[in-house]
Amino acid sequence: QVQLVQSGAEVKKPGASVKVSCKPSGYTFTAYYIHWVRQAPGQGLEWMGWINPNSGGTNFAQKFQGRVTMTRDTSISSVYMDVSRLRSDDTAVYYCAREGLGDLLDYWGQGTLVTVSS
Amino acid sequence: EIVLTQSPATLSLSPGERATLSCRASQSVSSYLAWYQQKPGQAPRLLIYGASNRATGIPARFSGSGSGTDFTLTISSLEPEDFAVYYCHQRSNWPPALTFGGGTKVEI
Repeated sequence: QVQLVQSGAEVKKPGASVKVSCKPSGYTFTAYYIHWVRQAPGQGLEWMGWINPNSGGTNFAQKFQGRVTMTRDTSISSVYMDVSRLRSDDTAVYYCAREGLGDLLDYWGQGTLVTVSS
Repeated sequence: EIVLTQSPATLSLSPGERATLSCRASQSVSSYLAWYQQKPGQAPRLLIYGASNRATGIPARFSGSGSGTDFTLTISSLEPEDFAVYYCHQRSNWPPALTFGGGTKVEI
């Protein structure tokens, strides 16, 4: 069955960077885009960007350009998201999700809580 | 950039009642609209895609309709497990981006 398993919670200081991993399984890793979506406490869903695991190509929401990178390692079928220059308002649960056929996010990771606090 | 506006923000209903949730797009998205359900502490779950197609395993009491700029998610008879937050979502080709609505909380 399809699963996306994310890395564990992180606590970071303002100005630091964080790297969150997402390991899909149960399907051909390179066949589907992976998106990252975050959710601040008590808030809605915010799309951050996507990565094409086949080519490594990426696309980011304008808000995150220059501060977020997304990479993949095809040898271990994993994707990564780095957020640099963290601020307190980056405190959120970060989700990875697979883009299925038909412009939908059909499988989601369990979420990774990133807390930014001095 | 396409903006999705959901209404109402909160819907207070009782089990067995019908829920009607609205999602309006700032410009036409054809039928490329999806709905998700999110419960506290959980990841979102896909309910509806292509405006009206139920995802695998989704009960028939959930239905979606609409096209262009106006979309509706209907829960025909609320079950206790349906009390949650619902988000609409679309993917645009230019600029390439995903957008979520602000969400509708369905509460008891």
